[in-house]
Amino acid sequence: DTAVSQTPKYLVTQMGNDKSIKCEQNLGHDTMYWYKQDSKKFLKIMFSYNNKELIINETVPNRFSPKSPDKAHLNLHINSLELGDSAVYFCASSQLVAVQETQYFGPGTRLLVL
Amino acid sequence: AQSVTQLDSQVPVFEEAPVELRCNYSSSVSVYLFWYVQYPNQGLQLLLKYLSGSTLVKGINGFEAEFNKSQTSFHLRKPSVHISDTAEYFCAVSEKGGYQKVTFGIGTKLQVIP
Repeated sequence: DTAVSQTPKYLVTQMGNDKSIKCEQNLGHDTMYWYKQDSKKFLKIMFSYNNKELIINETVPNRFSPKSPDKAHLNLHINSLELGDSAVYFCASSQLVAVQETQYFGPGTRLLVL
Repeated sequence: AQSVTQLDSQVPVFEEAPVELRCNYSSSVSVYLFWYVQYPNQGLQLLLKYLSGSTLVKGINGFEAEFNKSQTSFHLRKPSVHISDTAEYFCAVSEKGGYQKVTFGIGTKLQVIP
């Protein structure tokens, strides 16, 4: 069983469209994250949720809206997609929100905006 | 604010040779330090982490890292690499206290040459 899963794995879409990426973890963790990895492999946190509550919201355009229906799921909706949104998006989870916790990453969603 | 510098973007090394991947960090407070590995087309996976105690930390797959507070470094080493170690390696730091916000370095691509 995959610990942290993301769908879809690949996403190719036109500029201006709206798309969603789903993430689910079956580890029983309390905390989930979204990261963006750009073409140079730089990995930057976007959001963090703890027990469905938003705790970290980095400087991300408000076109990006995370939603956590329960603590096992954290979805990412992106409105009005732009070329610069092309990247790999990783979901991750950790047991607790504490800074020393290990994060477990999903396989990534490769988004290409044309 | 915390930051991480990985001094080498690429490190080629022959199979069975030793390797060291360098990482320096900057922070005004005490930190936790991590090394993650990313195999091609996969998410990140924790190799090892330093929380406290012994400055020499052993991780999975024969890797180890040494925390050096005076030099603000956390270099990763392996005495003998295998082809399967070919991957991207990320050093990361998070500051003690507060919510988990991990800052990643830009990664070092380890290329093991047969």
